[in-house]
Amino acid sequence: GAGVSQSPSNKVTEKGKDVELRCDPISGHTALYWYRQSLGQGLEFLIYFQGNSAPDKSGLPSDRFSAERTGGSVSTLTIQRTQQEDSAVYLCASSLGRNNNEQFFGPGTRLTVL
Amino acid sequence: GQSLEQPSEVTAVEGAIVQINCTYQTSGFYGLSWYQQHDGGAPTFLSYNALDGLEETGRFSSFLSRSDSYGYLLLQELQMKDSASYFCAVRDGAKGNFNKFYFGSGTKLNVKP
Repeated sequence: GAGVSQSPSNKVTEKGKDVELRCDPISGHTALYWYRQSLGQGLEFLIYFQGNSAPDKSGLPSDRFSAERTGGSVSTLTIQRTQQEDSAVYLCASSLGRNNNEQFFGPGTRLTVL
Repeated sequence: GQSLEQPSEVTAVEGAIVQINCTYQTSGFYGLSWYQQHDGGAPTFLSYNALDGLEETGRFSSFLSRSDSYGYLLLQELQMKDSASYFCAVRDGAKGNFNKFYFGSGTKLNVKP
């Protein structure tokens, strides 16, 4: 079956521009996570959605970052006024539910801010 | 704060056994996961330990000692395709943090012929 998909796969933008990153989770997965991975580093938790509950936004690094999830499925991560330090791979993952520990990751979006 | 410590790099030969350690300090603890990530690829789930002891899945085993805040991933009969980065991740059990997973910086495993 289809896995988690993300688009675009690569995004190059200029400092100060806004970007939108999209994630399509596995059908039927109610939990959705966004992570950021800088080169050679681990994954940094950004935000978590569970069904129709209010998201856990506690990992978002600044108010320039926001995310939404429409209809409990597709999610968009928006970064406003991008900075060079935002350059990283942004990974989305989904899982069956809040008590399920196996996360399925998408291929990521590599963001480069010039 | 939250911290997970893993060796940055490990090298082993094909057919050997290698152990990748992970020590953690988190405000809460609900379980320890391991993920594999090949260069340029997405992390894939390997194992999860919520209780002390050893869990075996084929060539891979994972161990947890909650009293020592320590776990390891054991890879047996190494194959070239096992060359990848391996991440440990703690699910934080503290109130308000239940949904958070904290990841280590990863261990790059190099398997040589």
